[in-house]
Amino acid sequence: ETGVTQTPRHLVMGMTNKKSLKCEQHLGHNAMYWYKQSAKKPLELMFVYSLEERVENNSVPSRFSPECPNSSHLFLHLHTLQPEDSALYLCASSQDAYSPLHFGNGTRLTVT
Amino acid sequence: EDKVVQSPLSLVVHEGDTVTLNCSYEVTNFRSLLWYKQEKKAPTFLFMLTSSGIEKKSGRLSSILDKKELSSILNITATQTGDSAIYLCAVAPISNFGNEKLTFGTGTRLTIIP
Repeated sequence: ETGVTQTPRHLVMGMTNKKSLKCEQHLGHNAMYWYKQSAKKPLELMFVYSLEERVENNSVPSRFSPECPNSSHLFLHLHTLQPEDSALYLCASSQDAYSPLHFGNGTRLTVT
Repeated sequence: EDKVVQSPLSLVVHEGDTVTLNCSYEVTNFRSLLWYKQEKKAPTFLFMLTSSGIEKKSGRLSSILDKKELSSILNITATQTGDSAIYLCAVAPISNFGNEKLTFGTGTRLTIIP
């Protein structure tokens, strides 16, 4: 079990559904991240939060909406997704902007 | 645009063999290079190499950074089945928020045959 917990582990949703992914870190870190991992592609950074403030939005479609209520929790709200959004969504945290990332086990998302 | 290329894409060896994984990079204002191991889902951190720390070792794993050649290698000696995983390389430039600009490679899939 890692210090970063993600729920749910698996999610199947239709294109008209609304769902949320949850991430919690128990490491006392100050930064949290959402990454997308698709087959045969490098990890893609979606969002970064530092001390609950969003640092960067890497041109992510608006159907993905992040929320960081405090330094331990991070959410990714999903709505009207497309089949190409099917992927493994990984949450990570780090002590600061330059420390190694600690990843959660991810949510395997399938959009039908 | 920063770039990381890992080779080989996949590798199959027998238990006990020694393997070398490669990572080449192009980055403006290099700060660090990181190696991660991804067995099933969560990548786990292995090493971070910087200009002041170009060689790291932990048990059977070791890594070297060659700043002149813009590359790094990850060596695993006396491989075990538990070493089977995807090994990811990432580079970070000097920036206001370093991890924001972290660039990952596609990884090397290593399979160890008993």
